[in-house]
Amino acid sequence: DSGVTQTPKHLITATGQRVTLRCSPRSGDLSVYWYQQSLDQGLQFLIQYYNGEERAKGNILERFSAQQFPDLHSELNLSSLELGDSALYFCASSAMTGTGPAGELFFGEGSRLTVL
Amino acid sequence: AQSVTQLDSQVPVFEEAPVELRCNYSSSVSVYLFWYVQYPNQGLQLLLKYLSGSTLVESINGFEAEFNKSQTSFHLRKPSVHISDTAEYFCAVSEDSSASKIIFGSGTRLSIRP
Repeated sequence: DSGVTQTPKHLITATGQRVTLRCSPRSGDLSVYWYQQSLDQGLQFLIQYYNGEERAKGNILERFSAQQFPDLHSELNLSSLELGDSALYFCASSAMTGTGPAGELFFGEGSRLTVL
Repeated sequence: AQSVTQLDSQVPVFEEAPVELRCNYSSSVSVYLFWYVQYPNQGLQLLLKYLSGSTLVESINGFEAEFNKSQTSFHLRKPSVHISDTAEYFCAVSEDSSASKIIFGSGTRLSIRP
């Protein structure tokens, strides 16, 4: 058990809809990362938050947004869903802010999104 | 820009046989290197990492990887695999200390035959 909790584990929805994925990081971790894992794109970094502030942005579509709340949990919002958004979405957390040696990422079990 | 290539998408081996999962990276600066493992229906877990020092790093479950700067490789090896090693293995590289800059390879699916 990594200590990172993601909900829901599975989600099936239709094109054009909007969904919210939730992540609770490990106790004490201030950084939250979102990744998308698909068969054709592999594991892609989407976005990072540190203590409520956006810290880094990767290949995140404009239809997607995220935020980190004061209690450090994070939500990834996916809107105007397309078939190609079907993927496994991982949340990871770390204690690192970007200083010191590259830290370990702790991954949740993922939320599997299916868009029909 | 940094990149990482895992040369084999699938590696089938028999139980108790040795295995090598290949990883090559591209970077113009010093790098940090990682292997993560993803067991079925689970998230990724760090298996081992190279930050500096000894070029041979080991995990607690018998895997090892050697950083080879001249060949820009970080291959993962185990002398004798078990059924429980069945998983997908991801090589990753980062040029700095920010975890958001970690680039993951496409993964190698290790399947163990009894």
